[in-house]
Amino acid sequence: NAGVTQTPKFQVLKTGQSMTLQCAQDMNHEYMSWYRQDPGMGLRLIHYSVGAGITDQGEVPNGYNVSRSTTEDFPLRLLSAAPSQTSVYFCASRGLSGNTIYFGEGSWLTVV
Amino acid sequence: QQQVKQSPQSLIVQKGGIPIINCAYENTAFDYFPWYQQFPGKGPALLIAIRPDVSEKKEGRFTISFNKSAKQFSLHIMDSQPGDSATYFCAASTGSGTYKYIFGTGTRLKVLA
Repeated sequence: NAGVTQTPKFQVLKTGQSMTLQCAQDMNHEYMSWYRQDPGMGLRLIHYSVGAGITDQGEVPNGYNVSRSTTEDFPLRLLSAAPSQTSVYFCASRGLSGNTIYFGEGSWLTVV
Repeated sequence: QQQVKQSPQSLIVQKGGIPIINCAYENTAFDYFPWYQQFPGKGPALLIAIRPDVSEKKEGRFTISFNKSAKQFSLHIMDSQPGDSATYFCAASTGSGTYKYIFGTGTRLKVLA
């Protein structure tokens, strides 16, 4: 049972480059989200989705785009990377009937 | 009002000690309070959670104490072990269907052997 799978694990980008962080879950969860984790800041919600075709902004959405074409996948796109986007990114999912959020193992992104 | 304030930022205890991590919130609409444990290089995982209709919940060596009137809750780790060394996050959410969790800033715990 894979749970929530994120790729890549590590990535270095140059300022201005774009990239997509991939996230897939095999638990048939309706809710999916992306968080970023920064020292002393905890986990901050970037974007979330309550089902295929439905997305909404979280606390820190600027500079990121998401889409949800299937229940399983929820990619996060960085449009034009900036050093301020250097962070650890976590994808998470939750079922409609439960409260537990399941996190992926994280993607370490460095923007130089 | 949406913040969850967590303290301390870091904590070092001897093996067998009882580390206590505290969280405080303002929004009285919060009704679900989980704690997540994160080991280095891994994603956070649910450790234990409580709802405001109880004042305490125990699961193994982990206990949540909840004070509704003070709008505070805390995590106690009994007989702490080096394997408990991790970062702990408290969180809060409103409503049974909501997906918006507000996380605390995290506490890095180190348990010395």
